[in-house]
Amino acid sequence: GESVGLHLPTLSVQEGDNSIINCAYSNSASDYFIWYKQESGKGPQFIIDIRSNMDKRQGQRVTVLLNKTVKHLSLQIAATQPGDSAVYFCAEGRTFGTYKYIFGTGTRLKVLA
Amino acid sequence: EAQVTQNPRYLITVTGKKLTVTCSQNMNHEYMSWYRQDPGLGLRQIYYSMNVEVTDKGDVPEGYKVSRKEKRNFPLILESPSPNQTSLYFCASSLDRGRAGPSYNEQFFGPGTRLTVL
Repeated sequence: GESVGLHLPTLSVQEGDNSIINCAYSNSASDYFIWYKQESGKGPQFIIDIRSNMDKRQGQRVTVLLNKTVKHLSLQIAATQPGDSAVYFCAEGRTFGTYKYIFGTGTRLKVLA
Repeated sequence: EAQVTQNPRYLITVTGKKLTVTCSQNMNHEYMSWYRQDPGLGLRQIYYSMNVEVTDKGDVPEGYKVSRKEKRNFPLILESPSPNQTSLYFCASSLDRGRAGPSYNEQFFGPGTRLTVL
């Protein structure tokens, strides 16, 4: 499949353990944040999003935490499975005035059997 | 099936030869966007469109054009491609869910177009 990044930071996690992927965002005016998953040879796939009026949001096996004070976002994956192996991107944007989005460079998650 | 389609999936061309990459979505989404993805740089937004006849520049619009004549289509045009436009391109579409509710603008991405400019 196509390479999405040659020197991405990599997180290796044992199958069944929890994973935490971190992201720092840059724009204090951003009020909307999204996590995407990209498998080899495919387009990014939406995982979960959060608005800035929330600190935490949970989905199925995933939780996003937002710390606006230090401009930090994290994605927690519970009971990591082999199918979770992929590159994960965070993105920041705004909910009014523009549909511009800034994406992080990504983290590669490797799930060890 | 709800989807975003792109054509072609792979293209090798030469410098200066105009090309168009098509993007179509069948979800009646207002918002569409084009991104390029390069190793080490992540996804960078080229152009976006908030609705028919409404487009705006993203972070890397130089050398690209777009048009939004119909809601479902958002073609990316390279009038005079150069080797630095060799990249993996993604189209995306989404709904604007407004101010209420936890979600806002989750984007659905196409499968990508691998472009090589010689």
